[in-house]
Amino acid sequence: DAGITQSPRHKVTETGTPVTLRCHQTENHRYMYWYRQDPGHGLRLIHYSYGVKDTDKGEVSDGYSVSRSKTEDFLLTLESATSSQTSVYFCAISEWDGYTFGSGTRLTVV
Amino acid sequence: SQELEQSPQSLIVQEGKNLTINCTSSKTLYGLYWYKQKYGEGLIFLMMLQKGGEEKSHEKITAKLDEKKQQSSLHITASQPSHAGIYLCGADTSGNTPLVFGKGTRLSVIA
Repeated sequence: DAGITQSPRHKVTETGTPVTLRCHQTENHRYMYWYRQDPGHGLRLIHYSYGVKDTDKGEVSDGYSVSRSKTEDFLLTLESATSSQTSVYFCAISEWDGYTFGSGTRLTVV
Repeated sequence: SQELEQSPQSLIVQEGKNLTINCTSSKTLYGLYWYKQKYGEGLIFLMMLQKGGEEKSHEKITAKLDEKKQQSSLHITASQPSHAGIYLCGADTSGNTPLVFGKGTRLSVIA
């Protein structure tokens, strides 16, 4: 199984503060993704990356930025957190038979 | 409009009963993926279907792909409490873009 870890697992932050979530993989996969999961909406794509410094927007990218300076790390940044960004965030990598997901980061913006 | 519709949204079944969850796409399906999620946890891969008419089984779970109808079904035989959770379908609708997901089906299995 691919090694994919997300950090932190839980975070509470205040409105207006910047927040960075990290996704780390150990098997050199080219494609990495950030999704958010909300009740009534399922999983929605925020941003994805298809290589070092190569990223693209997803369905719900407003308010988020990403960076990938190394193959193994894909960072998701909320520049100025808002309450609407309270969610569970999942990172995923693409393998031959589908995506493997991290355990998720539960973010609460108060 | 939702690209990938799952039905039902929630399901409560008695232990030992069979059940079916459906996933219908508004676009051509190049690949269809089923995942299971326990509350508060990540997504666990169940099955991938790529060819029309393809059917795969794992233990008591069977998934089928009807390419013409742009639809997949997930069937659980003789449900058990361990089957409880949220089932999500994900689809590749263009051949080279990130997966889109349905909203999920919440399954409860009662004794």
